Amino acid sequence: GAGVSQSPRYKVAKRGQDVALRCDPISGHVSLFWYQQALGQGPEFLTYFQNEAQLDKSGLPSDRFFAERPEGSVSTLKIQRTQQEDSAVYLCASSRDRADEAFFGQGTRLTVV
Amino acid sequence: GNSVTQMEGPVTLSEEAFLTINCTYTATGYPSLFWYVQYPGEGLQLLLKATKADDKGSNKGFEATYRKETTSFHLEKGSVQVSDSAVYFCALFNYGGSQGNLIFGKGTKLSVKP
Repeated sequence: GAGVSQSPRYKVAKRGQDVALRCDPISGHVSLFWYQQALGQGPEFLTYFQNEAQLDKSGLPSDRFFAERPEGSVSTLKIQRTQQEDSAVYLCASSRDRADEAFFGQGTRLTVV
Repeated sequence: GNSVTQMEGPVTLSEEAFLTINCTYTATGYPSLFWYVQYPGEGLQLLLKATKADDKGSNKGFEATYRKETTSFHLEKGSVQVSDSAVYFCALFNYGGSQGNLIFGKGTKLSVKP
């Protein structure tokens, strides 16, 4: 596609609910990153995929967070048993290679009530 | 560890004023440095970058020079426009071993008044 697409744009979840956030990267981009951006803060790294392989998940804040990219294209970030502190904008970025320019989606704003 | 510190906002300027947004970093090795911009309602966009010491990145009238001696990458523009109103993020990328991702500052909101 023309750019990185994320859905939904907005998600309201009740505390304890599971959510799934989708990212469609730019076609042909090998690298895919997920970031979390709390209100008034810069994005913070969550996890990195090279094709379908999750090479770095050092930024995932707890075992409630899980990401996958089974066919090396679309990726899903899943958060189980959501908590209020999970409220943030979740950003997806893709690039041709890990150190190349990263192109960001518009993000999914998650609000946990 | 790696980190980025940038000046806190908000910054409010009149059109045609000079802009400086300070950014300093801490990193091992030789990171690449970036400025990203987020316009209202849009995603993060790369504004400019520099990959080694003394490199100057420039785009849309904005400039930043990679200063290794002061570990800085300050963003400047000689004459801002209302359309420059946005949030600006300084970031570094340090690639080594299994690690390699952007590390961002907290962002600086710029408002330009006509």
